[in-house]
This record gives sequence, C-alpha cells and structure tokens, in this order.
Amino acid sequence: DVKVTQSSRYLVKRTGEKVFLECVQDMDHENMFWYRQDPGLGLRLIYFSYDVKMKEKGDIPEGYSVSREKKERFSLILESASTNQTSMYLCASARGQGEALSNQPQHFGDGTRLSIL
Amino acid sequence: AQSVTQLGSHVSVSEGALVLLRCNYSSSVPPYLFWYVQYPNQGLQLLLKYTSAATLVKGINGFEAEFKKSETSFHLTKPSAHMSDAAEYFCAVSDGGGFKTIFGAGTRLFVKA
Repeated sequence: DVKVTQSSRYLVKRTGEKVFLECVQDMDHENMFWYRQDPGLGLRLIYFSYDVKMKEKGDIPEGYSVSREKKERFSLILESASTNQTSMYLCASARGQGEALSNQPQHFGDGTRLSIL
Repeated sequence: AQSVTQLGSHVSVSEGALVLLRCNYSSSVPPYLFWYVQYPNQGLQLLLKYTSAATLVKGINGFEAEFKKSETSFHLTKPSAHMSDAAEYFCAVSDGGGFKTIFGAGTRLFVKA
C-alpha cells in the first residue's frame, strides 16, 4: 500500500525556534508538496518539489523553506517560528509531470499539528 | 485563475438519507476535478476524480459525482448516508497547466442516528 509518513503527529515549539517537519514517501513519486490546513481556508500550498533539489514556491511561502536532498524525503523548515504558524501541516506526493501531474491524485500523510507558543 | 467554492461549511443528514455536497469551480480550460475525504486526525484520501472520460464518476464507499460543464459544478452524492461517512470533504481542481491543485474550504458532514 502506498504511504506518506510524517515524522510527528503533534509538535509544540516556542516562538523564534527553528522547526523541522519531515516527510517520507515510499512510492517513488517525483513530486512532493507541503500544505497548511486551517479551518475555513482549506489547504494552501506552501512549497512544491518536482525533483531532488528542485522547488517552487506555492501560495504562502513566507516564513518557510524546504529541502529535498533525496527523492523520498521532503522537509519543511520554519526558520523562526511565530504564533501565526500554529496550524496543521500536510505533506503529499504525486507522480507525473506537466499535464500528467495535473490529472493525478495526491497521496497525503496524516498531518503534523504544530503549536507555536 | 482557478477557484473552487464549496457551498455550506457544514451539512447534517440523517442516517439513510441522501448526501449532497456542492462544489462549483472556475477554470479557464477544461479542468481535472477531485473529491477527497478527511477523517478525524488523518490526511486526505481520494474519493473520486474527473478527467473527461465520463461526466458521471463513481468513487469509493458508494459516492459519485457528476460533472456539469454548463453549471461549472461537480457535486458529490451518496444515496444513503452511513454513520461512517461523517468526515470533512474537499473538492479540488487542477487545470493541466502546472503543478497547482486548488482546494475548496471543505464541507464537514454530520450523520445523525
């Protein structure tokens, strides 16, 4: 069965800390995504990666960075955590490129609920 | 630009009743459309997708959705609700031009015994 695994289900950090969220997929997918989910706002794309070391900004990249050193692993980094980054973070992966990517479903991890105090 | 509107942030039905979750989209080109379900404390799972092969799409767990181009709609239905259907449902659209999938705000479905 396909699997996207996020390293932590719950995480509590303090403002100003550097925070790492890790995601691993076992499907050999080219593409990986980080979303933020907030009530009433649906999912908003933070960053997308289509290959190792390649990335594209999503709709809300400010305050975040990403790292993809291996195909199966995609990390989200909060450079200096702030309280407005308290949220649910979802990682996803998908296969394909261009139009072939657009018609493919994304496979999601179970999410990391991050609280910044 | 693409957009997705889900009408109703909360929908409540009785067990055995029809489920209807509404989704309208905006896209400048023929879209790809998806419905995902999210159970508590889990990520999203694909229910079904429309990719132009057929306007009526059948998904898992007895759900189906109909693509209506004239109404720019992709409503999700199930003839008879079950308690296990209680979850949040997301409609999503992508337009084939890039990597972005746009998700609606979600509709939380409550099922009453």
